[in-house]
Amino acid sequence: QKEVEQNSGPLSVPEGAIASLNCTYSDRVSQSFFWYRQYSGKSPELIMSIYSNGDKEDGRFTAQLNKASQYVSLLIRDSQPSDSATYLCAVNIRAGGTSYGKLTFGQGTILTVHP
Amino acid sequence: KAGVTQTPRYLIKTRGQQVTLSCSPISGHRSVSWYQQTPGQGLQFLFEYFSETQRNKGNFPGRFSGRQFSNSRSEMNVSTLELGDSALYLCASKGASGPYEQYFGPGTRLTVT
Repeated sequence: QKEVEQNSGPLSVPEGAIASLNCTYSDRVSQSFFWYRQYSGKSPELIMSIYSNGDKEDGRFTAQLNKASQYVSLLIRDSQPSDSATYLCAVNIRAGGTSYGKLTFGQGTILTVHP
Repeated sequence: KAGVTQTPRYLIKTRGQQVTLSCSPISGHRSVSWYQQTPGQGLQFLFEYFSETQRNKGNFPGRFSGRQFSNSRSEMNVSTLELGDSALYLCASKGASGPYEQYFGPGTRLTVT
């Protein structure tokens, strides 16, 4: 089992719809969770971070964390064509000692928002 | 505040050569992590430096090494390049010691021929 897994894509949604991206992780000790957006040919851009159970909203983005079920999700409301990108889930998996600088990434989900 | 900068942006090297990549973190950030991104393996952690000390290391061979200077700038070196080292190399900086957000630079695209 991979340490971080994302729902297989690609995901295609119409403009204005809600896009739902999911991620599961294997290590119960994981503490911090991030969503990055990566446009083709560009580097990952941080869009959300979440550290505790529940929902966190930032504009059109909502991150949801459930540590008991070991999943984290990202909802994008009112999806726009400019949201079309690869979305990467990243988890800080504690491996003993100081490991805060190490992020483990999922394979990414390609999202396409069509007009 | 200026973002993370990486130089050079593009590199073409020949098998067997070595290469040094540079990363300047966001001002005030003391943690720098390096990652390799390839289509097949995705984003993989190489190592992290904090206050000039390597704190974590990923599962890469010893040909991959790094260092950090007193001004937090970091370099990574790859010796005896192999074709499989062709990748996008990304560095990310973090402001504090804890499990906080990392911000990526634009990356260095390395091609090994």
